[in-house]
Amino acid sequence: GNSVTQMEGPVTLSEEAFLTINCTYTATGYPSLFWYVQYPGEGLQLLLKATKADDKGSNKGFEATYRKETTSFHLEKGSVQVSDSAVYFCALSDPGGSQGNLIFGKGTKLSVKP
Amino acid sequence: EADIYQTPRYLVIGTGKKITLECSQTMGHDKMYWYQQDPGMELHLIHYSYGVNSTEKGDLSSESTVSRIRTEHFPLTLESARPSHTSQYLCASSELGVATESPLETQYFGPGTRLTVL
Repeated sequence: GNSVTQMEGPVTLSEEAFLTINCTYTATGYPSLFWYVQYPGEGLQLLLKATKADDKGSNKGFEATYRKETTSFHLEKGSVQVSDSAVYFCALSDPGGSQGNLIFGKGTKLSVKP
Repeated sequence: EADIYQTPRYLVIGTGKKITLECSQTMGHDKMYWYQQDPGMELHLIHYSYGVNSTEKGDLSSESTVSRIRTEHFPLTLESARPSHTSQYLCASSELGVATESPLETQYFGPGTRLTVL
């Protein structure tokens, strides 16, 4: 079945460090891919998305490229800030399932120290 | 900015009480969802709806029930709360039909309700 695997956390970085959070997926068809972010005490917010192979999603300095050949959608940021501390979720649409449903990874907690 | 609201934000209640968690959205979205989020942060889909008078069970079995009498409103009810129901509950919505700028599957989340059952 369709699934998402993302790197386990927690990830702890110093301010201005480079961030990579790995995400790989298994899916039939052509899913859309998403990264969501959840700040402490809040709901999830859409961070970025990509709808087809080689698309690059970007927002707030974060980037992720839809790689169909490696079935990956890794999240990167060149220089993290303390305010980036949050839980990050990779997700894919479920092309074989109910329209609109997303499959989420288990989340990766990021802590950025000053 | 997403316009989806959940009340209450925090609820502490005793065992056996009936509770209703409210969720409303002003985006005119047809599809709505309820997720349960465990302390390890993993999300579990417990209910969803395609529109008025539609309700479906999600991937995780739940003792809660939902209703969809109006497009904008998707309340979740627990008839008799138990400590095992203690969790964070997140509501979300998305479009159905013709795609616009975002993929149809883009979900917009409310701020969540943190429920504690003593």
